[in-house]
Amino acid sequence: GAVVSQHPSWVICKSGTSVKIECRSLDFQATTMFWYRQFPKQSLMLMATSNEGSKATYEQGVEKDKFLINHASLTLSTLTVTSAHPEDSSFYICSATTGTGGGEAFFGQGTRLTVV
Amino acid sequence: KQEVTQIPAALSVPEGENLVLNCSFTDSAIYNLQWFRQDPGKGLTSLLLIQSSQREQTSGRLNASLDKSSGRSTLYIAASQPGDSATYLCAVPNSGNTPLVFGKGTRLSVIA
Repeated sequence: GAVVSQHPSWVICKSGTSVKIECRSLDFQATTMFWYRQFPKQSLMLMATSNEGSKATYEQGVEKDKFLINHASLTLSTLTVTSAHPEDSSFYICSATTGTGGGEAFFGQGTRLTVV
Repeated sequence: KQEVTQIPAALSVPEGENLVLNCSFTDSAIYNLQWFRQDPGKGLTSLLLIQSSQREQTSGRLNASLDKSSGRSTLYIAASQPGDSATYLCAVPNSGNTPLVFGKGTRLSVIA
């Protein structure tokens, strides 16, 4: 299947600093990527839709100034958590859907963010 | 608004048993349905994708069925193994390139 690579797999940062997470589609082009957040023992919740060459679309309750999304190319989307606080600690996962195969979604490995 | 429910929330079975995981969704206008596996602290691995026009898909010991009209899907795992222990998630998009709506998952433990 298609491959989506996410980096880093884990990061620990101090409160108030910013963290950038990268999501790459390795063997296909993705005009749209999605960012999800998962709290312990909860399911994945959509944060935002990342659109290549245009602004991201954020879900209700997600602060766009705090979670900056940039989709500068057809294979790369980045999520920057700005001025991180302990409550931002979570598991962040990106996904992309291939144009073929009936719209199958593939996910990155996820990033475990811990803010101390 | 689409809602996805998975039953049971957790399941523990002895090795070798066949088992069924259930998924239901409220809006039958789905594009496809996907089953995933998630190991603790890891990302999602796609197991099976069923298109809205299909009734089932098979991959090895896994078989997924889809009854769109009743809003249900099942994942059948044959001859379960300890390595099958993980959380299984089902998810649906409303169209080809829209985000997935996930159930809360079924946490499966297969005991050797």
